[in-house]
Amino acid sequence: NAGVTQTPKFRILKIGQSMTLQCTQDMNHNYMYWYRQDPGMGLKLIYYSVGAGITDKGEVPNGYNVSRSTTEDFPLRLELAAPSQTSVYFCASRGPKDGSPGGNYGYTFGSGTRLTVV
Amino acid sequence: ELKVEQNPLFLSMQEGKNYTIYCNYSTTSDRLYWYRQDPGKSLESLFVLLSNGAVKQEGRLMASLDTKARLSTLHITAAVHDLSATYFCAVDRSNNDMRFGAGTRLTVKP
Repeated sequence: NAGVTQTPKFRILKIGQSMTLQCTQDMNHNYMYWYRQDPGMGLKLIYYSVGAGITDKGEVPNGYNVSRSTTEDFPLRLELAAPSQTSVYFCASRGPKDGSPGGNYGYTFGSGTRLTVV
Repeated sequence: ELKVEQNPLFLSMQEGKNYTIYCNYSTTSDRLYWYRQDPGKSLESLFVLLSNGAVKQEGRLMASLDTKARLSTLHITAAVHDLSATYFCAVDRSNNDMRFGAGTRLTVKP
């Protein structure tokens, strides 16, 4: 199993440009998440999804959009990039929290995308 | 609103010494998680604590959970350089995501 795959690993954007961060998981997890991590800080939730077709805002959604057309994919879209969006972005997924077979109480994280907006 | 506070935020310790990292949280939760992050890397799951009084151990690390006190501890025994990393605790929120602490950056010196 590949787990959670994020692409790209690194990206430099100019102010005002747009891009999509890709996230794919092959564990059939319903729950998926996007976090950002600023230098020396913890993780802040941007958006999350509890299943295909369902998304919701987290703590810091402004400037971002998501979609969840399939169980596997949860892309994060940045429109009109700003320097404040310079960060490391992590995608994560989790399985059922009820301990059912195949359940995974905690998150499985992707390797991250380091984004710089100049 | 759920708040998760870790202390200390920075910890420098010598090899062979013991120390404890504390994680306090503000609202009721019976699940707490510890993660490790190496510089420039992703987060790796260390422990999942699922009930009051839960204790998990892996090598030189031991985690415990007291849901009544809303406190978890990560105890380091006889530290070695390989334990140098940032350690995060996280608590489940009702909407199926986790709230993370700010992290404790641990440096183990020879």
